[in-house]
Amino acid sequence: GAVVSQHPSWVICKSGTSVKIECRSLDFQATTMFWYRQFPKQSLMLMATSNEGSKATYEQGVEKDKFLINHASLTLSTLTVTSAHPEDSSFYICSARGQGKQFFGPGTRLTVL
Amino acid sequence: GIQVEQSPPDLILQEGANSTLRCNFSDSVNNLQWFHQNPWGQLINLFYIPSGTKQNGRLSATTVATERYSLLYISSSQTTDSGVYFCAVESSGTYKYIFGTGTRLKVLA
Repeated sequence: GAVVSQHPSWVICKSGTSVKIECRSLDFQATTMFWYRQFPKQSLMLMATSNEGSKATYEQGVEKDKFLINHASLTLSTLTVTSAHPEDSSFYICSARGQGKQFFGPGTRLTVL
Repeated sequence: GIQVEQSPPDLILQEGANSTLRCNFSDSVNNLQWFHQNPWGQLINLFYIPSGTKQNGRLSATTVATERYSLLYISSSQTTDSGVYFCAVESSGTYKYIFGTGTRLKVLA
């Protein structure tokens, strides 16, 4: 089946630094990828839709200047959390659309100290 | 936007018991998937079921799209079934998946 990978699987950083998370579709091309955020004991919340070759579209309440998304190729989308703060600590999951379905990555756990 | 509610929010079962998890959605959908989120956070796809009924071992699922709900059945539950179960729907006209509120299941030995 289709596989989506994320890198890194976990990251710890200091407050004020920026962190980049990669999402790759390994065996299929994805013109559309999605980024979700999950806080402890909560559901997954859609943050943004990443479209290859165009600007991402963000859900209401998500700061586009803080969460920079780049979808540079049909197999790679990146999420950069800029000037991270402790409240940005969360579990970030990406998904990629292919074969009429969505396939989810294993997630990246971000801890900001 | 579309609302997705799951019930019950929490469920405790004795090993060997059966259970039914429900997912209600507020609008028509293109797709629906059921997931089990493991302790490490990874989403394990259980069923892709926009309509109809499917079975996979001890698990089965039914979606009645016209009435806007889906059910996940777990039979002869095992401790390894513990975790959080999510349904997610792709609303018509978009490719966005909206996740339900989740059901946290604990199976006791």
